[in-house]
Amino acid sequence: AQTVTQSQPEMSVQEAETVTLSCTYDTSESNYYLFWYKQPPSRQMILVIRQEAYKQQNATENRFSVNFQKAAKSFSLKISDSQLGDTAMYFCAFMPPSGGGADGLTFGKGTHLIIQP
Amino acid sequence: GAVVSQHPSRVICKSGTSVKIECRSLDFQATTMFWYRQFPKQSLMLMATSNEGSKATYEQGVEKDKFLINHASLTLSTLTVTSAHPEDSSFYICSARAGALNYGYTFGSGTRLTVV
Repeated sequence: AQTVTQSQPEMSVQEAETVTLSCTYDTSESNYYLFWYKQPPSRQMILVIRQEAYKQQNATENRFSVNFQKAAKSFSLKISDSQLGDTAMYFCAFMPPSGGGADGLTFGKGTHLIIQP
Repeated sequence: GAVVSQHPSRVICKSGTSVKIECRSLDFQATTMFWYRQFPKQSLMLMATSNEGSKATYEQGVEKDKFLINHASLTLSTLTVTSAHPEDSSFYICSARAGALNYGYTFGSGTRLTVV
């Protein structure tokens, strides 16, 4: 079974600063998918960024980027120029490639990110 | 984009009664949907995988008879919490995949269940 570990229960930074959220995972699979989801106070899960394990290039979506280190099984999220609206719970998630998408996600425990004005 | 609609958003029920939660894919067909449970300030835990036209697959430790799942069409999955008790109070979220594997999953807005 896969496990996902987020070692930072809570982080707080000033607006406009850059923050990095850490995530490590454990799997015996060689090909898989990794995601970062954001859950604001509304509790709606929002996809932030995704990464295919077979791709060496780190994914980037505007202010959000990842540092994917496959050998180290590390998948950190960097948020640049942080904004007040970035305040939320952030979950790292793992998805195996098997079953044509019939497998649910395995989530880490989450990091509560607070952006201070 | 892909939208998953979940209803109700909040429900309060008496202990011993049953509650049904609906999850609909509005603009795509979902042969597989997933049900998660989230306790306050905790992560999402996969409860079961709902398969259209067949039996659901439950995660270890999830009671099949308490959490009944029906996926009768390509756009609708329902979760029924039977004989609910206060310890079943939680936030329940459904999700489905629309598109390629690397797209990830779209989530419903969740249902807050309170059993009194």
